[in-house]
Amino acid sequence: EIVVTQSPATLSLSPGERATLSCRASQSVTKYLAWYQQKPGQAPRLLIYDASNRATGIPARFSGSGSGTDFTLTISSLEPEDFAIYYCHQRIEWPYTFGQGTKLEIK
Amino acid sequence: EVQLVESGGGLVQPGGSLRLSCAASGFTFSRYWMAWVRQAPRRGLEWVASIKHDGTEKNYGDSVKHRFTISRDSAQNSLYLQMDSLRVEDTAVYYCAKVVVPADTGAFDIWGQGTMVAVSS
Repeated sequence: EIVVTQSPATLSLSPGERATLSCRASQSVTKYLAWYQQKPGQAPRLLIYDASNRATGIPARFSGSGSGTDFTLTISSLEPEDFAIYYCHQRIEWPYTFGQGTKLEIK
Repeated sequence: EVQLVESGGGLVQPGGSLRLSCAASGFTFSRYWMAWVRQAPRRGLEWVASIKHDGTEKNYGDSVKHRFTISRDSAQNSLYLQMDSLRVEDTAVYYCAKVVVPADTGAFDIWGQGTMVAVSS
C-alpha cells in the first residue's frame, strides 16, 4: 500500500502567519491527493482535492500544490478558526490511505 | 442541503456483528461513489471501504477485508456497512462519506456526523 507521511507532526504558529504543511507519498500518486481539516468532535472537512482544487466554500487563503510524491498545503494568513488537525489522503489506488495528521496549534 | 446521517452504532462483544446505515439526502445518490472511513479514539483517519455509484465495484481496507461488507440501496438513498467478526481494534467512530465528483472514485467532500462502534467484553 502507499504510505503517506505528513510533516511536521505539530506546527506552532500565530494568527496572521503563513502555514506550510507537507505530505509525502511512498510512490507517485500523480495529482490524486486531498487535504482535510478536522476540529475536535467534528467530522473532517475537505479543503483541497486533486492536489490543487479548492473544495466548495473553502476560503482562498487555503491552497494546495505538488504532484508525484511531494505535496504542500499552504494557509496564507492564519485565522483563529484554522487551528486544527490536517490530514492528507491519496486516492490513486486501493487501499486508500491517509497521513497521520499535522496538528496546527496556536503559538 | 446535502446531508449524510449515520445510525446503527453501539456496544458489541468481540466476535459479534453490527450493521451501520447512512441516510443520504440533497443530492443524486445514484451518481456518486460512497465510502466508510473510521477513526479510533485519539487516532487518525482510516479508510474502510468504498462502493461504486451503481454498486458493481467494492473495495476494502486490508484490516476489514472478508469481515465487513459495504452495500447500497439507491431506492432508499442509503449506504450500509455490515460488520461481522468484530474485534476490539474495530472500536472507532465510523463516518459515511460522499465523493466530490460524480462517477469518480475521488476525495470525500461530504461527511456524516459519525456513529460510534465500541467492541468490548
